[in-house]
Amino acid sequence: QQQVKQSPQSLIVQKGGISIINCAYENTAFDYFPWYQQFPGKGPALLIAIRPDVSEKKEGRFTISFNKSAKQFSLHIMDSQPGDSATYFCAASGDQAGTALIFGKGTTLSVSS
Amino acid sequence: DVKVTQSSRYLVKRTGEKVFLECVQDMDHENMFWYRQDPGLGLRLIYFSYDVKMKEKGDIPEGYSVSREKKERFSLILESASTNQTSMYLCASSFNWAGGYEQFFGPGTRLTVL
Repeated sequence: QQQVKQSPQSLIVQKGGISIINCAYENTAFDYFPWYQQFPGKGPALLIAIRPDVSEKKEGRFTISFNKSAKQFSLHIMDSQPGDSATYFCAASGDQAGTALIFGKGTTLSVSS
Repeated sequence: DVKVTQSSRYLVKRTGEKVFLECVQDMDHENMFWYRQDPGLGLRLIYFSYDVKMKEKGDIPEGYSVSREKKERFSLILESASTNQTSMYLCASSFNWAGGYEQFFGPGTRLTVL
Protein backbone atom coordinates (compact mmCIF):
# COMPACT_ATOMS: atom_id res chain seq x y z
CA GLN A 1 0.00 0.00 0.00
CA GLN A 2 2.96 2.29 0.49
CA GLN A 3 4.43 1.80 -2.96
CA VAL A 4 4.46 4.22 -5.85
CA LYS A 5 4.93 2.40 -9.15
CA GLN A 6 6.60 4.37 -11.94
CA SER A 7 6.96 3.55 -15.62
CA PRO A 8 8.76 3.41 -17.93
CA GLN A 9 12.21 2.91 -16.44
CA SER A 10 13.78 4.69 -19.39
CA LEU A 11 12.51 6.81 -22.24
CA ILE A 12 14.02 8.15 -25.44
CA VAL A 13 12.19 11.02 -27.13
CA GLN A 14 13.04 13.12 -30.15
CA LYS A 15 13.53 16.82 -29.69
CA GLY A 16 10.16 18.54 -29.92
CA GLY A 17 8.24 15.43 -28.96
CA ILE A 18 6.08 14.73 -25.90
CA SER A 19 7.54 12.79 -22.99
CA ILE A 20 5.06 10.94 -20.78
CA ILE A 21 5.91 9.27 -17.46
CA ASN A 22 3.28 7.44 -15.46
CA CYS A 23 2.87 6.65 -11.78
CA ALA A 24 0.33 4.65 -9.81
CA TYR A 25 -0.35 4.41 -6.10
CA GLU A 26 -2.58 2.38 -3.82
CA ASN A 27 -2.77 4.32 -0.57
CA THR A 28 -5.88 6.51 -0.71
CA ALA A 29 -4.50 8.58 2.16
CA PHE A 30 -1.90 10.10 -0.16
CA ASP A 31 -2.80 13.67 -1.02
CA TYR A 32 0.38 15.30 -2.25
CA PHE A 33 2.04 14.22 -5.49
CA PRO A 34 5.30 15.90 -6.50
CA TRP A 35 7.65 15.24 -9.37
CA TYR A 36 11.38 15.67 -8.88
CA GLN A 37 14.00 16.16 -11.59
CA GLN A 38 17.60 15.04 -11.14
CA PHE A 39 20.52 15.92 -13.40
CA PRO A 40 23.74 13.87 -13.29
CA GLY A 41 25.90 14.80 -10.32
CA LYS A 42 23.11 16.75 -8.63
CA GLY A 43 20.49 16.05 -6.01
CA PRO A 44 16.84 15.84 -7.06
CA ALA A 45 14.92 19.13 -7.21
CA LEU A 46 11.18 19.73 -7.11
CA LEU A 47 9.79 20.22 -10.61
CA ILE A 48 6.04 20.42 -10.11
CA ALA A 49 3.48 19.10 -7.62
CA ILE A 50 -0.27 18.54 -7.45
CA ARG A 51 -2.89 17.90 -4.82
CA PRO A 52 -5.95 15.73 -5.58
CA ASP A 53 -8.45 18.58 -5.59
CA VAL A 54 -7.44 19.35 -9.20
CA SER A 55 -7.08 17.04 -12.19
CA GLU A 56 -4.33 18.93 -13.95
CA LYS A 57 -1.56 21.39 -13.20
CA LYS A 58 0.60 23.09 -15.79
CA GLU A 59 3.86 24.97 -15.39
CA GLY A 60 5.41 25.97 -18.68
CA ARG A 61 6.06 22.84 -20.73
CA PHE A 62 5.44 20.54 -17.76
CA THR A 63 1.96 19.23 -16.91
CA ILE A 64 0.78 16.82 -14.22
CA SER A 65 -2.41 14.93 -14.99
CA PHE A 66 -4.12 13.37 -12.00
CA ASN A 67 -6.80 10.67 -12.02
CA LYS A 68 -8.03 10.16 -8.48
CA SER A 69 -10.43 7.30 -9.24
CA ALA A 70 -7.73 5.33 -11.04
CA LYS A 71 -5.09 6.32 -8.47
CA GLN A 72 -2.74 7.37 -11.24
CA PHE A 73 -0.84 10.51 -12.12
CA SER A 74 1.47 11.35 -14.96
CA LEU A 75 4.02 13.92 -16.06
CA HIS A 76 3.84 15.29 -19.59
CA ILE A 77 6.75 17.25 -21.02
CA MET A 78 5.69 19.11 -24.13
CA ASP A 79 8.20 20.14 -26.81
CA SER A 80 10.89 18.07 -25.12
CA GLN A 81 14.40 19.55 -25.31
CA PRO A 82 17.86 18.00 -24.88
CA GLY A 83 18.16 20.03 -21.67
CA ASP A 84 15.24 18.01 -20.26
CA SER A 85 17.42 14.87 -20.31
CA ALA A 86 17.46 13.83 -16.66
CA THR A 87 16.03 11.30 -14.23
CA TYR A 88 12.48 11.99 -13.10
CA PHE A 89 10.96 10.71 -9.87
CA CYS A 90 7.32 10.76 -8.92
CA ALA A 91 6.45 10.70 -5.24
CA ALA A 92 3.48 10.72 -2.92
CA SER A 93 2.75 11.47 0.69
CA GLY A 94 -0.09 12.06 3.08
CA ASP A 95 -0.57 15.42 4.71
CA GLN A 96 -0.60 14.32 8.30
CA ALA A 97 2.35 14.45 10.63
CA GLY A 98 4.58 11.43 10.56
CA THR A 99 4.48 10.75 6.86
CA ALA A 100 7.43 10.91 4.53
CA LEU A 101 7.61 11.07 0.75
CA ILE A 102 7.38 7.70 -1.00
CA PHE A 103 9.34 7.84 -4.25
CA GLY A 104 8.93 5.87 -7.46
CA LYS A 105 11.99 4.13 -8.85
CA GLY A 106 12.68 6.84 -11.42
CA THR A 107 12.62 7.28 -15.19
CA THR A 108 15.72 8.19 -17.16
CA LEU A 109 14.70 10.50 -20.00
CA SER A 110 16.97 11.08 -22.96
CA VAL A 111 15.93 13.69 -25.52
CA SER A 112 17.79 13.28 -28.78
CA SER A 113 18.56 16.22 -30.98
CA ASP B 1 17.98 30.09 -1.58
CA VAL B 2 17.87 26.98 0.56
CA LYS B 3 21.17 25.27 0.73
CA VAL B 4 21.77 21.70 1.79
CA THR B 5 25.43 20.78 1.91
CA GLN B 6 27.01 17.39 2.37
CA SER B 7 30.50 17.02 3.76
CA SER B 8 31.97 14.96 0.93
CA ARG B 9 31.10 14.37 -2.71
CA TYR B 10 33.14 11.17 -2.91
CA LEU B 11 34.28 8.87 -0.14
CA VAL B 12 36.20 5.57 -0.22
CA LYS B 13 36.25 3.42 2.92
CA ARG B 14 37.32 -0.06 3.92
CA THR B 15 35.01 -2.83 5.09
CA GLY B 16 34.47 -2.60 8.84
CA GLU B 17 35.30 1.10 9.14
CA LYS B 18 32.97 3.47 10.94
CA VAL B 19 31.77 6.08 8.47
CA PHE B 20 30.23 9.48 9.17
CA LEU B 21 28.27 11.37 6.52
CA GLU B 22 27.44 14.93 7.48
CA CYS B 23 24.63 17.14 6.23
CA VAL B 24 23.97 20.80 7.01
CA GLN B 25 21.00 22.97 5.98
CA ASP B 26 20.79 26.72 6.32
CA MET B 27 17.02 27.36 6.26
CA ASP B 28 16.03 26.46 9.81
CA HIS B 29 14.05 23.44 8.55
CA GLU B 30 12.54 21.14 11.16
CA ASN B 31 12.75 17.98 9.06
CA MET B 32 15.82 16.30 7.71
CA PHE B 33 16.14 13.05 5.77
CA TRP B 34 18.75 10.56 4.62
CA TYR B 35 18.13 8.57 1.43
CA ARG B 36 20.11 6.03 -0.44
CA GLN B 37 19.96 6.03 -4.25
CA ASP B 38 20.79 2.92 -6.28
CA PRO B 39 20.20 2.29 -10.01
CA GLY B 40 16.80 0.75 -10.62
CA LEU B 41 15.78 1.11 -6.97
CA GLY B 42 15.14 4.84 -6.84
CA LEU B 43 15.36 6.75 -3.57
CA ARG B 44 14.97 4.73 -0.41
CA LEU B 45 14.51 6.42 2.94
CA ILE B 46 17.00 5.37 5.61
CA TYR B 47 16.13 7.66 8.52
CA PHE B 48 14.48 10.98 9.10
CA SER B 49 14.32 13.49 11.90
CA TYR B 50 11.56 15.95 12.71
CA ASP B 51 13.31 17.75 15.55
CA VAL B 52 16.60 17.95 17.38
CA LYS B 53 17.45 14.60 18.99
CA MET B 54 14.36 13.01 17.39
CA LYS B 55 14.62 10.31 14.73
CA GLU B 56 12.41 7.87 12.91
CA LYS B 57 13.37 4.77 10.94
CA GLY B 58 12.68 4.77 7.26
CA ASP B 59 12.40 1.80 4.94
CA ILE B 60 15.99 0.54 5.19
CA PRO B 61 17.53 1.50 8.57
CA GLU B 62 19.53 -1.71 9.10
CA GLY B 63 23.25 -1.05 9.38
CA TYR B 64 22.78 2.70 9.84
CA SER B 65 22.24 5.11 12.69
CA VAL B 66 21.75 8.87 12.79
CA SER B 67 22.46 11.80 15.04
CA ARG B 68 20.86 15.22 15.23
CA GLU B 69 22.34 17.31 18.02
CA LYS B 70 21.67 20.66 16.33
CA LYS B 71 18.74 21.69 14.17
CA GLU B 72 20.86 22.43 11.11
CA ARG B 73 22.96 19.26 11.16
CA PHE B 74 21.97 15.64 10.53
CA SER B 75 24.59 12.90 10.48
CA LEU B 76 24.36 9.41 9.03
CA ILE B 77 26.59 6.79 10.63
CA LEU B 78 27.61 3.46 9.19
CA GLU B 79 28.74 1.59 12.30
CA SER B 80 30.70 -1.03 10.38
CA ALA B 81 30.75 -0.36 6.66
CA SER B 82 30.06 -3.24 4.31
CA THR B 83 30.40 -3.53 0.53
CA ASN B 84 26.62 -3.61 0.10
CA GLN B 85 26.51 -0.09 1.50
CA THR B 86 28.35 1.22 -1.56
CA SER B 87 25.85 3.73 -2.89
CA MET B 88 24.90 7.37 -3.43
CA TYR B 89 23.67 8.97 -0.22
CA LEU B 90 21.37 11.98 -0.39
CA CYS B 91 20.41 14.30 2.42
CA ALA B 92 17.28 16.45 2.28
CA SER B 93 15.44 18.93 4.46
CA SER B 94 11.94 20.36 4.55
CA PHE B 95 10.07 23.01 6.40
CA ASN B 96 7.24 21.09 7.98
CA TRP B 97 6.83 17.77 9.74
CA ALA B 98 3.70 16.86 7.79
CA GLY B 99 3.83 15.69 4.22
CA GLY B 100 3.11 18.01 1.35
CA TYR B 101 6.11 20.30 1.62
CA GLU B 102 9.04 20.55 -0.76
CA GLN B 103 12.14 18.62 0.17
CA PHE B 104 15.45 20.26 -0.69
CA PHE B 105 18.24 17.87 -1.52
CA GLY B 106 21.99 18.12 -1.18
CA PRO B 107 24.32 17.11 -4.05
CA GLY B 108 24.92 13.64 -2.64
CA THR B 109 27.89 11.65 -1.36
CA ARG B 110 29.05 8.73 -3.46
CA LEU B 111 30.39 6.18 -1.00
CA THR B 112 32.49 3.24 -2.10
CA VAL B 113 33.23 0.52 0.44
CA LEU B 114 36.12 -1.75 -0.54
